[in-house]
Amino acid sequence: QVQLQESGPGLVKPSETLSLTCAVSGYSISSGYYWGWIRQPPGKGLEWIGSIYHSGSTYYNPSLKSRVTISVDTSKNQFSLKLSSVTAADTAVYYCARHLNYAPGEFDYWGQGTLVTVSS
Amino acid sequence: DIQMTQSPSSLSASVGDRVTITCQASQDISNYLNWYQQKPGKAPKLLIYDASNLETGVPSRFSGSGSGTDFTFTISSLQPEDIATYYCQQYDNLPMYTFGQGTKLEIK
Repeated sequence: QVQLQESGPGLVKPSETLSLTCAVSGYSISSGYYWGWIRQPPGKGLEWIGSIYHSGSTYYNPSLKSRVTISVDTSKNQFSLKLSSVTAADTAVYYCARHLNYAPGEFDYWGQGTLVTVSS
Repeated sequence: DIQMTQSPSSLSASVGDRVTITCQASQDISNYLNWYQQKPGKAPKLLIYDASNLETGVPSRFSGSGSGTDFTFTISSLQPEDIATYYCQQYDNLPMYTFGQGTKLEIK
């Protein structure tokens, strides 16, 4: 069974870089699919951040593109998110998920999510 | 950008009721529309993909329909465990993935 698990600091200071990792088990990242990050501010809706393929090919939400970097480590079967110059508006639960990169692009497996708070 | 308008934002219904949620796209997205259920403190769960296909293991009381710009999600007979927030999600070939604003479903 495919499982994803997010990890990283729960508190980040304003203007610093948020860094999270998603460890995948039960499926090899190198076998296919895309691997993405989605976030949800407290009490609000879902926002796709960006995704990566095992080859390293990435694409990002244009609204966040200037601050986002997603990378993959196939040897560890994990992928990572970096979001720079964070503000309080980046406080959210961050989810990692698996999805197809073609229609209908559904996210079929999700991590449990990790809350990241931006505060000094 | 394709915008998704989901309605209603909240809904109160009784056990056994038929519940309908709609999602409208700002332009034709064919049938590239998925539906998720999110319970408090949990990750979203895929229920319906490609507008009308039921994900494996999801109860048959859940269904989806539509194509183009107008889509509908239905629970045929509401159960207590269906209390959750429901989201639609579209895919376009930029690629870009956009979620609707969500519908919070409560028991009356």
